[in-house]
Amino acid sequence: NAGVTQTPKFQVLKTGQSMTLQCAQDMNHEYMSWYRQDPGMGLRLIHYSVGAGITDQGEVPNGYNVSRSTTEDFPLRLLSAAPSQTSVYFCASRGDRVSYEQYFGPGTRLTVT
Amino acid sequence: AQSVTQPDIHITVSEGASLELRCNYSYGATPYLFWYVQSPGQGLQLLLKYFSGDTLVQGIKGFEAEFKRSQSSFNLRKPSVHWSDAAEYFCAVGAGDYKLSFGAGTTVTVRA
Repeated sequence: NAGVTQTPKFQVLKTGQSMTLQCAQDMNHEYMSWYRQDPGMGLRLIHYSVGAGITDQGEVPNGYNVSRSTTEDFPLRLLSAAPSQTSVYFCASRGDRVSYEQYFGPGTRLTVT
Repeated sequence: AQSVTQPDIHITVSEGASLELRCNYSYGATPYLFWYVQSPGQGLQLLLKYFSGDTLVQGIKGFEAEFKRSQSSFNLRKPSVHWSDAAEYFCAVGAGDYKLSFGAGTTVTVRA
C-alpha cells in the first residue's frame, strides 16, 4: 500500500512550457485534491474531485487544469507555465468525504524561470 | 466560509521545554479540526484531529490539542520538545463545504 504518490519530485520549466504533475493513490479514495504551498500562505486548494469524472475548482484554479478518468489518478496540468506558479504542489486524498481527514503525497517542487 | 489563523509565524524553543502553538478558527458551528506537521522537504503528516466529544485530544509524537469553543481555538501543546520536533506546523479546519482550510503555518526551531 503506497498511499499517495506524486511524480516528479522536482521540475524546472521555462515560462510558457506545459507539463503534467502526476498523482496516484491506491486506497480507493473517492476524494482527491491538489494544493499549492507558498511561504507564509499555508496550503491553498487548486482543484478537487469527489469521484471519477467529477472535478471542481478550489481557491486558486487559474492556470491549472485537472481531469479524473479513474479513481486512482488525478493529474494536474499547467498549460502555459508562469513564474507565479513556482511553488510546492501537494496531492491529497481521503476516503470519507465527511471526515475531512486527508492523506498527502510527498510533494512536487516546481520552479518556473 | 471558514478560515484559520495561526498568529505565530516562528517560535524558538529550547530542547526539553514546553511548546504551545496557537490556532484560531472562524466558523459558525463546530468544525472538524486538524493539526499537521511538515518536516523539511517532506509532505504533511497528521498529528491529531478533533471531530466531537472530549475537547482534549491526544495525537502522535506526544502532542495534544484542546478545543475551546468559547475562544474558537484549537491550540497544540507538547510538554517537552525534542530536536526532532523542529518542523512547520499547520492547523486546518473543515466545515460545511467538505474542503479543508489551512492556516499559514508556524515554524518551530528547537535549540540545544
